[in-house]
Parts: sequence; structure tokens; C-alpha cells
Amino acid sequence: GAVVSQHPSWVICKSGTSVKIECRSLDFQATTMFWYRQFPKQSLMLMATSNEGSKATYEQGVEKDKFLINHASLTLSTLTVTSAHPEDSSFYICKTLAFFGQGTRLTVV
Amino acid sequence: ELKVEQNPLFLSMQEGKNYTIYCNYSTTSDRLYWYRQDPGKSLESLFVLLSNGAVKQEGRLMASLDTKARLSTLHITAAVHDLSATYFCAVGGNTGTASKLTFGTGTRLQVTL
Repeated sequence: GAVVSQHPSWVICKSGTSVKIECRSLDFQATTMFWYRQFPKQSLMLMATSNEGSKATYEQGVEKDKFLINHASLTLSTLTVTSAHPEDSSFYICKTLAFFGQGTRLTVV
Repeated sequence: ELKVEQNPLFLSMQEGKNYTIYCNYSTTSDRLYWYRQDPGKSLESLFVLLSNGAVKQEGRLMASLDTKARLSTLHITAAVHDLSATYFCAVGGNTGTASKLTFGTGTRLQVTL
């Protein structure tokens, strides 16, 4: 079974609203979580790295005020896309240790 | 800045044929990964290569690593339709198992009957 549970698997939201994506580590502690974004037919690009109990580290060009990352416990990291726009529509995937989440398909209409 | 390039970007091959996907990276790294991605799905781990000359095989897929040339290959033997997917190589940092990955451009493989 999945060792990293990512939810939701897909979500459709209206422009201007916020969406939260969760990644939970099952049966182990995840002190670090990597968040990737993948546009259609493209590769995965690292957005940010979250560390339990401290601020996330964002990659160059990723707006930290738009993509809020919280890693408040050793088993849960969340990514919130705030004031979503159609250009935020993408596939978001979390990863910790050797394990990927199932991915979240976000469509902003 | 670490760059990882794959070629070809797209590969259409007939069942039963052999082919190789190439992955070049720009700086030295601890480890090289190969993943498979089916449409709409997350990534499935195929291989982890840790040292120069490493070779791993699983079924019709074989991966190798040449750290001096900064090159990894994924060889497909006698392709079957079920191998149709997108394949990514990725290079890991030097900070252990929690290191971030830099992904290659991906190779979309289509195996035709």
C-alpha cells in the first residue's frame, strides 16, 4: 500500500479561491517533504522543501506567499495554493525519502 | 546549476525491438534514479544507481551508470506494449536519502503492436 498518502487526487476550483493539498506519511516520520509541480507533457520541477518545525525553502521563481507550505507534524505536510489562477492548473506531487505521493491534479476554472 | 537532459524526448518503437534512452547530467552526484510515469499517475521507482559502473536489470529494462561520463542509460530489450509510458531519470543531491531530485526532461515511449 501507499506509504505517502496524498489528497485530494484531483480538484477543480474557481479562480481566486484557495486549495489545500495534503501529504501524510504512513507508519513513519517524515522530517522533510519535497513538493514538485508538473505541467502537461513536461518534467517535474521542484517548488519547495518543507521541514518539520521550520520554514519551508522555496526554489527560485516560486512565490512563497502564493504557495503556502506547512509541515507542522512529522506525518503531515500541506501545500495551499492561494488565490488560484488558471495558470496554476498542474499536477502536484509530494515526495519524502524514497516515496512519492499519488499526485493531485489541480484544475482552476 | 545541475542540469539533466534525456534523449530522445519521444520514442516510438515496435514490439520486439531494442532501444536505449540516454540521460546526461552536468555535475557530479551521489545517485541516479530511473522512474516510470503512466498518464495521470505519480512516479514508479525503477532503479537506483549508486556507483560508477553500476548495472541493474528488471525484466526487459536495464539501467547503467557511468559517473565519469555523467551518463546513464536505460536499455529496453524486446519491447512490449505494456512498457509504453514516460520515463524519467533524476539525479539526487549529496545529502542522503532525503535529498531533493533534479529530473530529466523525460522520454515518452510508445510501443506499437
